[in-house]
Amino acid sequence: QSVLTQPPSVSGAPGQRVTISCTGSMSNIGTGYDVHWYQQIPGTAPKLLIFRNSNRPSGVPDRFSGSKSGTSASLVITGLQAEDEADYYCQSYDISLRVVFGGGTRLTVL
Amino acid sequence: EVQLVESGGGLVQRGGSLRVACGASGFTFTKYWMTWVRQAPGKGLQWVASINQDGSEEHYVDSVKGRFTISRDNAGNSVFLQMNSVTADDSGVYYCARPSVAVASSGLVFYHYMDVWGKGTTVTVSS
Repeated sequence: QSVLTQPPSVSGAPGQRVTISCTGSMSNIGTGYDVHWYQQIPGTAPKLLIFRNSNRPSGVPDRFSGSKSGTSASLVITGLQAEDEADYYCQSYDISLRVVFGGGTRLTVL
Repeated sequence: EVQLVESGGGLVQRGGSLRVACGASGFTFTKYWMTWVRQAPGKGLQWVASINQDGSEEHYVDSVKGRFTISRDNAGNSVFLQMNSVTADDSGVYYCARPSVAVASSGLVFYHYMDVWGKGTTVTVSS
């Protein structure tokens, strides 16, 4: 049971928009701590995708965007492409547990 | 190029010990905290341990406290994870990562994102 809750899977057709949610609590996201997102293509290491809720590292396409509100955060991917098929993880700081991750969401491009 | 390369993974018997290492290059190692994150087979990511720049402060997830020790060699640009009394739950891929960390005036350490990751080293605990 992860501290941050994500849907196990989402899917979408090429070109569509998908949203991945990440729900925490007053011990982490709800206190105002930032949310970060990672993309992990199966068999490879995680890659930072979004930091501090809505910022993209250099090289990450603007098709990826993030937001945060209350005790939740969201990752939105627009113009879905086959190469976006991967696992996505949210992460935040927790008052008691320090670093916490969501359980991960598998994105399938139909 | 900023790079982290893990090594030392392998097969270890339940109750045994193993030391994994991570070599850093392409950035000023002594300016950064370092972190280990693991991923059990088919599971999600779990933060394991972190160490500050001079090795004077360490943090651990509860499940490894007293069994694992994180350390670093700044002269060699390396960080290590000594794993003792391992169990099946310790099996997985161990990633070395570079975290962004803020330290408040109170001394409280806030972890932010991890912007650099190694490719990981696999630890398998056998019974």
